[in-house]
Amino acid sequence: GAVVSQHPSRVICKSGTSVKIECRSLDFQATTMFWYRQFPKKSLMLMATSNEGSKATYEQGVEKDKFLINHASLTLSTLTVTSAHPEDSSFYICSARDLGDTQYFGPGTRLTVL
Amino acid sequence: QKEVEQNSGPLSVPEGAIASLNCTYSDRGSQSFFWYRQYSGKSPELIMSIYSNGDKEDGRFTAQLNKASQYVSLLIRDSQPSDSATYLCAVSKGAGRRALTFGSGTRLQVQP
Repeated sequence: GAVVSQHPSRVICKSGTSVKIECRSLDFQATTMFWYRQFPKKSLMLMATSNEGSKATYEQGVEKDKFLINHASLTLSTLTVTSAHPEDSSFYICSARDLGDTQYFGPGTRLTVL
Repeated sequence: QKEVEQNSGPLSVPEGAIASLNCTYSDRGSQSFFWYRQYSGKSPELIMSIYSNGDKEDGRFTAQLNKASQYVSLLIRDSQPSDSATYLCAVSKGAGRRALTFGSGTRLQVQP
């Protein structure tokens, strides 16, 4: 199956700093990638849709200036959490869609903001 | 009404039994249906995809789709303790840039 990687897998940072998370599709090209957030024992919540070469589409309630998304190539999307605060601590998961309609998920990044 | 509904469970079955997981969706325009498995603390892993009415089998897994009833299910035969996880149903309207819509998941517990 298709492989999606995320880096870093875990990050701990101080409040007020920015954190960048990378999502890569390793063996296929993904014109569309998605960013999700999941709090403990809760379902996946879509944050934004990342389209290669264009601006991301954010879900209602997600601050685009706080969660910066860049989809610079067909295999790489990045999510930057700016001025992170403890309430941003969560499990961030990206997914990449192949030429069909199947989404493959990365392993996730666990962010802890102190 | 949620777009994709699943019973949160937990669904508890003995080892070796058949586990039946159900999902309903509200959008009749939905075209693609997926089942993901998520272990605690891990990201979702694709198990099955199904696009047309009927059954689709892959090893111990069978996905069933009934578009008229807006219902999709996943059967797990010969359940193993390692199958214990949360199973997410996801629905898409098809080609394009739309994201999947996920149900809240059903937690399955397979008792040894």
